[in-house]
Amino acid sequence: QQQVKQSPQSLIVQKGGISIINCAYENTAFDYFPWYQQFPGKGPALLIAIRPDVSEKKEGRFTISFNKSAKQFSLHIMDSQPGDSATYFCAALGDSNYQLIWGAGTKLIIKP
Amino acid sequence: ETGVTQTPRHLVMGMTNKKSLKCEQHLGHNAMYWYKQSAKKPLELMFVYSLEERVENNSVPSRFSPECPNSSHLFLHLHTLQPEDSALYLCASSQESNEQFFGPGTRLTVL
Repeated sequence: QQQVKQSPQSLIVQKGGISIINCAYENTAFDYFPWYQQFPGKGPALLIAIRPDVSEKKEGRFTISFNKSAKQFSLHIMDSQPGDSATYFCAALGDSNYQLIWGAGTKLIIKP
Repeated sequence: ETGVTQTPRHLVMGMTNKKSLKCEQHLGHNAMYWYKQSAKKPLELMFVYSLEERVENNSVPSRFSPECPNSSHLFLHLHTLQPEDSALYLCASSQESNEQFFGPGTRLTVL
């Protein structure tokens, strides 16, 4: 119940294409769903986040789609660029205010 | 220094050594975290301190001992570690339970 399942584990997309990463959860008490981006040698950094009262949130080329009934959410990166190559993590805020439950990560490579 | 800093960036230690990891946040936050990051696995939350009180302790072995002397500093004391403890150890901070800001991590290798 406390897991967040993330797929795919790795993804290769051509420059200009759309990158899509999916996450699923079980615990309906989760109420905050962030996506973090991590470059080699750096810690994760918050990219975009959503709460379950909306079905979509867009910030520039990054969009979160949220399906509450299916308990799924996804990250879409439009017009993907080589600089977007990184590892992406989805997460959900669990029963504790401080406990983020993390997906296992997706290594994204954008080919020029 | 800005954001969250961690020292050392790399550490190699034997199973009988005692070492400490240091984290400092310059953001004025009131909560600090230790995470363990292993390849292809979710980040594992180890400890959370809020206002210098430990609020989360996720069944971490006693060979890991945290210390939070004030709201800006967090330590992780290590002793008699095992090779499976080799990982990237990340520190983070937040204001209340809002966005977590991460340091660059300490890459730990236990021989």
